[in-house]
Amino acid sequence: EVQLLESGGGLVQPGGSLRLPCAASGFTFSNYDMSWVRQAPGKGLEWVSGISVNGYTRNYADSVKGRFTISRDNSKSTLYLQMNSLRAEDTAVYYCAKIRTKTIDYWGQGTLVTVSS
Amino acid sequence: QSALTQPASVSGSPGQSITISCSGTSSDVGGYYYVSWYQQHAGKAPKLMIYDVSNRPSGVSNRFSGSKSGNTASLTISGLQAEDEADYYCSSYTSSSTWVFGGGTKLTVL
Repeated sequence: EVQLLESGGGLVQPGGSLRLPCAASGFTFSNYDMSWVRQAPGKGLEWVSGISVNGYTRNYADSVKGRFTISRDNSKSTLYLQMNSLRAEDTAVYYCAKIRTKTIDYWGQGTLVTVSS
Repeated sequence: QSALTQPASVSGSPGQSITISCSGTSSDVGGYYYVSWYQQHAGKAPKLMIYDVSNRPSGVSNRFSGSKSGNTASLTISGLQAEDEADYYCSSYTSSSTWVFGGGTKLTVL
């Protein structure tokens, strides 16, 4: 069974940083591209970032480019999202997601990030 | 990348059929067969219901079906059931090697 478990969320001040890990199990992590998707309170889904199987290709939404960095450790089956220069509009539930052939097929349960003073 | 366009809400009675549209551009919906649909119940993670425009993952009811014409994709739910009440999102892979979602549609089963 595919499991994606995010952690690291919490309350952070504007301008601060957070690192979100996502522990994957139930599949061969190193064989799949991965993504982060977020959902602001009461709002829709927004794709944030994606990374290829070997980590060489990384893409970002314009809203986070230059502030967020996606990475992965295949030896630990873990995906990461480093978030810097956080803004109030980054407040959201952040979901870790597995990709199969250009489709987001599995989602974690999400971790809430709140940016507020 | 602009969000795909979905109706904010749709409704139907048990047993009826409803269709949710998802409009994009030639750079996303119209240019790829990588269109997906997700169901999200309140407080839960999204669940994949349709992928590659019209394919259902194992375990998803055949009451759910998808299609695409040009830059617009559609999700049809037949034989509506109370448990279908949820938010539905479309998504497409894009020419920028990113993904874009629709704004979401709230389905109410009357």
